[in-house]
Amino acid sequence: EPEVTQTPSHQVTQMGQEVILRCVPISNHLYFYWYRQILGQKVEFLVSFYNNEISEKSEIFDDQFSVERPDGSNFTLKIRSTKLEDSAMYFCASSTYRDRPYEQYFGPGTRLTVT
Amino acid sequence: SQQGEEDPQALSIQEGENATMNCSYKTSINNLQWYRQNSGRGLVHLILIRSNEREKHSGRLRVTLDTSKKSSSLLITASRAADTASYFCATRKQGGSEKLVFGKGTKLTVNP
Repeated sequence: EPEVTQTPSHQVTQMGQEVILRCVPISNHLYFYWYRQILGQKVEFLVSFYNNEISEKSEIFDDQFSVERPDGSNFTLKIRSTKLEDSAMYFCASSTYRDRPYEQYFGPGTRLTVT
Repeated sequence: SQQGEEDPQALSIQEGENATMNCSYKTSINNLQWYRQNSGRGLVHLILIRSNEREKHSGRLRVTLDTSKKSSSLLITASRAADTASYFCATRKQGGSEKLVFGKGTKLTVNP
């Protein structure tokens, strides 16, 4: 069964450093998402991406964050200058159609630890 | 707004018993989805129920949706130790927003 994959599974970085989290969505999906989950808290929406542009973003997704689909398969989340409060599990998800209630399928997550 | 609030926050049952988890939300929705998360792992999609549906089954899972009360329930029948996980509901609002809004989840422990 097709699945969303994410790399790395765990990333440790120092405050102020740039990190890039990578995702390979399910191949025939058209909509891509990033969510995050701070330890012990709710899963929070960050951004959605369709047709090579951001279609929706949350207040969390400020200028420090960017997303890119550099080729036909990868979808990346970049944090330009990490802060301690960026430590969280980051989930990538993908789905087929926007206007139909299609399921969003999530990857296993990347645990980001900022020291 | 605090969409997708689950209760109870924690539930501990014996293997073979049924587990019921509830979710409430505040705005009109397009659909509601239930996910499962094993400790420290990813989110596994369990079931989606559309706003015009009242009940849906998948294996040992039964989901109900009451849009008048803005609530949903997830029933797991004949629970197994392997069902131990956190369960989240996530809502997608009406009006074109794509984001899912998650609750804090119910931590289910099934004791063998």
